[in-house]
Amino acid sequence: DAGITQSPRHKVTETGTPVTLRCHQTENHRYMYWYRQDPGHGLRLIHYSYGVKDTDKGEVSDGYSVSRSKTEDFLLTLESATSSQTSVYFCAISASGGTDTQYFGPGTRLTVL
Amino acid sequence: GQQLNQSPQSMFIQEGEDVSMNCTSSSIFNTWLWYKQDPGEGPVLLIALYKAGELTSNGRLTAQFGITRKDSFLNISASIPSDVGIYFCAGQLWGGADGLTFGKGTHLIIQP
Repeated sequence: DAGITQSPRHKVTETGTPVTLRCHQTENHRYMYWYRQDPGHGLRLIHYSYGVKDTDKGEVSDGYSVSRSKTEDFLLTLESATSSQTSVYFCAISASGGTDTQYFGPGTRLTVL
Repeated sequence: GQQLNQSPQSMFIQEGEDVSMNCTSSSIFNTWLWYKQDPGEGPVLLIALYKAGELTSNGRLTAQFGITRKDSFLNISASIPSDVGIYFCAGQLWGGADGLTFGKGTHLIIQP
């Protein structure tokens, strides 16, 4: 298994509070991704990073921001959580982007009350 | 954006039966991937396909990259209980460092 960890694994928070999810990798891969998974929607890309301090938006980026200050860590922040952001969040990594395969972390289940 | 239509949504089969699922797209992809997800875990890569027409096997699993680049199928032969889970197809454009487009998944349930 690729060395990807996510923290926390579970979180319950209240509407309006800020939340930060962390993805940590030990593979030294350049590309990192955040997806959310919802019933009936599969996995959808939120943001991705193609290097330290280099990030871009995905399909469902509204309400989310990311940061990558070092290769191994990619943070996803919900500035003011809403109930529509209740979801399971997955981080993925790949060595070279493009057609290189992506490997997924174990996920974080976030509930916004 | 691109959309993938994955079918069937769910399958109820007997142990030992063969399974077939597929994905179609309105867009051309340069890579097709098949993942399996067990409850409470992240998707795990099963097979990656990089060329139109490519047929690739991984044990009892076989997947093909359609000639039109707009479809792919996954077959599982002689299903066993541990095959239970959700199977996702995913497509990626050439140079598509911006992530994968996923189908909505096929939920495989095996009846003893």
